[in-house]
Amino acid sequence: QKEVEQNSGPLSVPEGAIASLNCTYSDRGSQSFFWYRQYSGKSPELIMFIYSNGDKEDGRFTAQLNKASQYVSLLIRDSQPSDSATYLCAVNGNNFNKFYFGSGTKLNVKP
Amino acid sequence: SAVISQKPSRDICQRGTSLTIQCQVDSQVTMMFWYRQQPGQSLTLIATANQGSEATYESGFVIDKFPISRPNLTFSTLTVSNMSPEDSSIYLCSVQGQSYEQYFGPGTRLTVT
Repeated sequence: QKEVEQNSGPLSVPEGAIASLNCTYSDRGSQSFFWYRQYSGKSPELIMFIYSNGDKEDGRFTAQLNKASQYVSLLIRDSQPSDSATYLCAVNGNNFNKFYFGSGTKLNVKP
Repeated sequence: SAVISQKPSRDICQRGTSLTIQCQVDSQVTMMFWYRQQPGQSLTLIATANQGSEATYESGFVIDKFPISRPNLTFSTLTVSNMSPEDSSIYLCSVQGQSYEQYFGPGTRLTVT
């Protein structure tokens, strides 16, 4: 059983701070890692994906991957109230066509 | 990314009836997926739909309950059959991008009474 684990939160950060969202996965064969943002009542929206160990930056977002520790994280710099949402981590294993989703972390950015 | 639409956006149905949900994409895609998201929960994959072949169902989901059609590279339908209140959920279709990422439609909110 492939598993993707996330802290359900809520994670509360003040506006302007760095929000750090974490995800661990059980399948060492996992190849690709994805972060989605989901606002209440909306469908998931892709933020970014990462394949290689290290950091990948896109605007205020940085994804970090450590395959040895089976750990992927998402950093949000200069957090804004509009970042308040649930963040879903998704992993695909050897079968690139199939995603395994974590349960999501609810982020609350306080003005 | 592809533009995905779903119909209907929401519906309220009676127990024992069936509902067909449509998913339309503005470009040709090989892989389409159907998910269910129950209130406060994460996404659960129902099945993978490839054009020209039978859908592949995940454990706990069967074709008799959730028949899927994939007649071409831009369209798919999911039918929720013989509905019960436990089928009340949001149903989402998604498509696969070039880097194996997935893009989601807006979802269909189903309530079964």
